Amino acid sequence: GQQVMQIPQYQHVQEGEDFTTYCNSSTTLSNIQWYKQRPGGHPVFLIQLVKSGEVKKQKRLTFQFGEAKKNSSLHITATQTTDVGTYFCAVFPSGNTPLVFGKGTRLSVIA
Amino acid sequence: EPEVTQTPSHQVTQMGQEVILRCVPISNHLYFYWYRQILGQKVEFLVSFYNNEISEKSEIFDDQFSVERPDGSNFTLKIRSTKLEDSAMYFCASIRSTGGYGYTFGSGTRLTVV
Repeated sequence: GQQVMQIPQYQHVQEGEDFTTYCNSSTTLSNIQWYKQRPGGHPVFLIQLVKSGEVKKQKRLTFQFGEAKKNSSLHITATQTTDVGTYFCAVFPSGNTPLVFGKGTRLSVIA
Repeated sequence: EPEVTQTPSHQVTQMGQEVILRCVPISNHLYFYWYRQILGQKVEFLVSFYNNEISEKSEIFDDQFSVERPDGSNFTLKIRSTKLEDSAMYFCASIRSTGGYGYTFGSGTRLTVV
């Protein structure tokens, strides 16, 4: 089935530094979603990207979908302690099939 | 903002016992899902449910698992004979329709099998 590779697995940053997580697929994706899971919490939907080369911003978060629709990234500018958590990309393998999650990138922010 | 509600938040059970995890999806949502997350690992799909029947299930969802929508609001996951490896967080999720909407997840049930 559809697999997405997400890197890095862990990232430790000093507060104020930037952070990026990458999601890669061997096949072309119809769309990609990003979720955030706080420690002890549940996944929370952040955004969906659909168009080739699409870039969307949410305050300090920038989401990008590759031109070939095979990769995506989430970039956080000037991290804060509230950014701590695991960031997952997730895709629909085909049509209406359920969401498949990447393994996630766990972000730690050191104050 | 509408929420998906899950109960209980934590369930401890003895190996071999049956457990029922409960979920109340958002009222106007039509598609329901169960996912599980073993501690520190990825979120894994178990089963999807639409129009009162299973629409898709993963290889994890074997004969010991079942889902039901006994009334118009509750959506349950039953594990008939729990094993140690069933210990995980179980998340319910719902969406209004397919077509790329973001899933709304409940806060989860932490199942511990001893």
